[in-house]
Amino acid sequence: DQQVKQNSPSLSVQEGRISILNCDYTNSMFDYFLWYKKYPAEGPTFLISISSIKDKNEDGRFTVFLNKSAKHLSLHIVPSQPGDSAVYFCAASPTSGTYKYIFGTGTRLKVLA
Amino acid sequence: ETGVTQTPRHLVMGMTNKKSLKCEQHLGHNAMYWYKQSAKKPLELMFVYNFKEQTENNSVPSRFSPECPNSSHLFLHLHTLQPEDSALYLCASSQAPNSYNSPLHFGNGTRLTVT
Repeated sequence: DQQVKQNSPSLSVQEGRISILNCDYTNSMFDYFLWYKKYPAEGPTFLISISSIKDKNEDGRFTVFLNKSAKHLSLHIVPSQPGDSAVYFCAASPTSGTYKYIFGTGTRLKVLA
Repeated sequence: ETGVTQTPRHLVMGMTNKKSLKCEQHLGHNAMYWYKQSAKKPLELMFVYNFKEQTENNSVPSRFSPECPNSSHLFLHLHTLQPEDSALYLCASSQAPNSYNSPLHFGNGTRLTVT
């Protein structure tokens, strides 16, 4: 049973437009969420995180939104650039005491020039 | 350049071989992790070490044996693996397990093929 789901395996977006990547979770104990980006032949790279006390966190072109009632988070990339083409993973964990980050299966983003 | 270094990058081994994966982190972190990434599956946590002590073994078969001699080094010893163990094995580190502002930092992984 997957506790973190990324239902879109792939997404194509035109350069300069907004990319929206979605993630749903089922465990109401999760209260810390992260997004990672992964290029081929490299390990995942941390992008941005959000805790459940917030509903939005912004870092440059990247914004993560959290809707706790819907158990949904999304990553917005504006404007999208060809270098953003990668696989994006969301991850979730409860912050108290456990070591388990639960990852989604990833969404492959392709930004078209 | 990543602060977490994994060697080798690629490994092909037979089912009767014994090999080891190595991970070293240069970030001053005190927790280290092994993850497995199989095709079309989420990253699966295998082991966690916190200050050299194993704190998590996520029901991993005994043919995978971790070793953490200090907070900067982590090994994964492999023996009598199965073809279904072929995957990307990722090492990660963090400042403290699951603390705020303590995301995982990953190495580039070892692509393992078991023949």
